[in-house]
Amino acid sequence: QVQLVESGGGVVQSGRSLRLSCAASGFTFSRYGMHWVRQAPDKGLEWVANIWSDGNKYYPDSVTGRFTISRDNSKNMVYLQMSSLRVEDTALYYCARDFCTNGVCSFDYWGQGTQVTVSS
Amino acid sequence: EIVMTQSPATLSVSPGERATLACRASQNVNTNLAWYQQNPGQAPRLLIYGASTRATAIPARFSGSGFGTEFTLTISSLQSEDFAVYYCQQYHNWPLTFGGGTKVEIK
Repeated sequence: QVQLVESGGGVVQSGRSLRLSCAASGFTFSRYGMHWVRQAPDKGLEWVANIWSDGNKYYPDSVTGRFTISRDNSKNMVYLQMSSLRVEDTALYYCARDFCTNGVCSFDYWGQGTQVTVSS
Repeated sequence: EIVMTQSPATLSVSPGERATLACRASQNVNTNLAWYQQNPGQAPRLLIYGASTRATAIPARFSGSGFGTEFTLTISSLQSEDFAVYYCQQYHNWPLTFGGGTKVEIK
């Protein structure tokens, strides 16, 4: 069965860096795009980054230039390198699998998340 | 950026009743619209993609409709496990965006 397990979260000071990891299993990882989505405490969902199977990447303006998504198909891993962290980056970070069929897409599997807390 | 607006923010419904949730996009997203359910302390779960197609193992009481800018998620007869927060998401343009959520609570 498909599993996504995030790790690497923690408490970090504002301005510092942190790298999140997501271990994927149960599917042919190299064929799928992957995303990171975050959720601030008691808030909604915010898409953070995407990497396609071909390596193309997308980010929203809120993290462009500070966050970098990458993948290692040999290890079935996706990463999120976060730098210049801000207090407002505090959130639970989810890894999610991209699912596209008949020209429409969504996120069909999600991990349980890893907590990132940025202190001032 | 496409802004997704969900209404109402909170919906109070009795078990067994019907719930209708709305999602509006600030621009046309065709049918590139998904719905997710999130129970407390859990990750989101995909319910509907392509505006109206149920995801794997999603019960038939969940249905989605709409096209363009107006979308609806209907839960025909609420079960106890359906009291949760529901999010819509557009996947038509970058950046991908979610609505603010509708909390379905027990009346």
